[in-house]
Amino acid sequence: AQTVTQSQPEMSVQEAETVTLSCTYDTSENNYYLFWYKQPPSRQMILVIRQEAYKQQNATENRFSVNFQKAAKSFSLKISDSQLGDTAMYFCAFSLAGGTSYGKLTFGQGTILTVHP
Amino acid sequence: DAGVIQSPRHEVTEMGQEVTLRCKPISGHDYLFWYRQTMMRGLELLIYFNNNVPIDDSGMPEDRFSAKMPNASFSTLKIQPSEPRDSAVYFCASGDRGRNYGYTFGSGTRLTVV
Repeated sequence: AQTVTQSQPEMSVQEAETVTLSCTYDTSENNYYLFWYKQPPSRQMILVIRQEAYKQQNATENRFSVNFQKAAKSFSLKISDSQLGDTAMYFCAFSLAGGTSYGKLTFGQGTILTVHP
Repeated sequence: DAGVIQSPRHEVTEMGQEVTLRCKPISGHDYLFWYRQTMMRGLELLIYFNNNVPIDDSGMPEDRFSAKMPNASFSTLKIQPSEPRDSAVYFCASGDRGRNYGYTFGSGTRLTVV
């Protein structure tokens, strides 16, 4: 079975600064996807960024980027130029690719990020 | 695109009552998922459908829970009888596997069983 671990229950950052959220996972499979989801107080789950394991290039979406280290099974999220609207719970998630595994996400425990003005 | 629509947004019910949660997926999506979120257990997959057919219900906690998808635009999650430990936020999500594994969550239903 796959597991996802987020070791930082809470993080805080000043507006306009950069913050990195950590995530490690465990799997014996080689083909999978990794995700970061954001859950603001409205509780809507919002996909922030996605990484395919077979791609070596780190995914980037505007101010959000990842550091994907496949050998180390590490998948951290970097938020640049933090904004007050980035305040939310962030979840790291894993999904095997192929077969009947599509969409079966395994989530980490979440990291509460607070951006201070 | 109206997104994934869930109803009701909040539900408060008494122990023993039947509860039905509803979900309308995004048109054209062929996968639908039901997740549950609690403080103790985090986010858990309960069941998912592909082309209206249940594929994996191993996450359904017990026989009191059932889910149906009578057509491509509607799904229900039913709890009968409800218990206080069922209190949680229930999310529905839909996806199109052909579109690079992205899928969309609804806003969730917060269920409180008293």
